[in-house]
Amino acid sequence: EPEVTQTPSHQVTQMGQEVILRCVPISNHLYFYWYRQILGQKVEFLVSFYNNEISEKSEIFDDQFSVERPDGSNFTLKIRSTKLEDSAMYFCASRVEGNTIYFGEGSWLTVV
Amino acid sequence: AQSVTQPDIHITVSEGASLELRCNYSYGATPYLFWYVQSPGQGLQLLLKYFSGDTLVQGIKGFEAEFKRSQSSFNLRKPSVHWSDAAEYFCAVGSNDYKLSFGAGTTVTVRA
Repeated sequence: EPEVTQTPSHQVTQMGQEVILRCVPISNHLYFYWYRQILGQKVEFLVSFYNNEISEKSEIFDDQFSVERPDGSNFTLKIRSTKLEDSAMYFCASRVEGNTIYFGEGSWLTVV
Repeated sequence: AQSVTQPDIHITVSEGASLELRCNYSYGATPYLFWYVQSPGQGLQLLLKYFSGDTLVQGIKGFEAEFKRSQSSFNLRKPSVHWSDAAEYFCAVGSNDYKLSFGAGTTVTVRA
């Protein structure tokens, strides 16, 4: 069964450093998403991406965050200058038109 | 705004017993409803979804859920739980752009 893959599975970074989380969505999918889950809290929507641009973003997705689809297969989330409160599990997801959204296994980000 | 409430934070059930997890949603139009399961350290796996049509939805691993518009509910059920069903379960509601709002989750413990 095709799946969304994410790397790294776990990253520890120092506060203020830049982090890039990578995702390979399912190959024929057109819509891409990032969600995050702070430990013990709800899964929260960050951003949706379609046709090489952001469709919608939440209030969490401020200027420190950016997304990119650099090469037609990868979908990345960049955090420019990490803060302690960015520590969370980040989930990538993708879907085709009118179909189920599939989530990856997540990337744990720990900011110290 | 869309939102989901999962009233039960933690449920303990005996192996072989039935399980019901409650989910209430708030959404202005016909919702897309989902149940996801998350095992420790793992990603979100889709159990089942409701878009339209038959209000009783069958999913994977023997789970089913019933959409009740009058009660704004989408409760998840399983007739006989297995030890491997111990996990955290998330209900989510989405609009047609698949921006999902998740509930806080219900942790299921299965005792022998």
